[in-house]
Amino acid sequence: EVQLVESGGGLVQPGRSLRLSCAASGFTFDDYAMHWVRQAPGKGLEWVSGISWNSGSIGYADSVKGRFTISRDNAKNSLYLQMNSLRAEDTALYYCAKDIYRFGGWGPFDPWGQGTLVTVSS
Amino acid sequence: EIVLTQSPGTLSLSPGERATLSCRASQSVSSSYLAWYQQKPGQAPRLLIYGASSRATGIPDRFSGSGSGTDFTLTISRLEPEDFAVYYCQQYGSSPVTFGQGTKLEIK
Repeated sequence: EVQLVESGGGLVQPGRSLRLSCAASGFTFDDYAMHWVRQAPGKGLEWVSGISWNSGSIGYADSVKGRFTISRDNAKNSLYLQMNSLRAEDTALYYCAKDIYRFGGWGPFDPWGQGTLVTVSS
Repeated sequence: EIVLTQSPGTLSLSPGERATLSCRASQSVSSSYLAWYQQKPGQAPRLLIYGASSRATGIPDRFSGSGSGTDFTLTISRLEPEDFAVYYCQQYGSSPVTFGQGTKLEIK
């Protein structure tokens, strides 16, 4: 069974940093692109960032470009999101999601983890 | 960036009825790289349809997708009680990946 488990969320002050992790199991992690998607409280879905299976292709939403960095460690079956210069508008539930195609591009996503909550507030 | 606009915002129907949800793109979605997701309260989104019309694994055949170019539709042929949820469309043909704002399907 494919499992994605996010961790690292919490309460952080504006301007500070946080690193999210996603532990993957149940599939050959280094064959698939991976993504971070966020959902602000009561709002819709926003793609944050994606990384190809070999880290050769990386993309970011304009809202986080220059502040967030996605990475992966295929030896550890793990995906990461380094979030710097956090703002109140980054407050959201952050989901880790797997691409459905082996060695594919961006999406679609299945499955998704249960998310980790990031709250940016003073 | 491709903007996806979903309509209606809220759809009120009864179990057994047919639901038709729309997703319109601001520009053509290449190769019909359009997906639909279902999200229930407190749960992560679940992939229903990809490639505009292909059902994901384990999705009942009452769910179907259609469309191309800029106009796409998700149809639920006969609503079951568990189908009442929020539905999102997503385009993944060009970067950045974008989602529609969602359609809430509620029990009438």
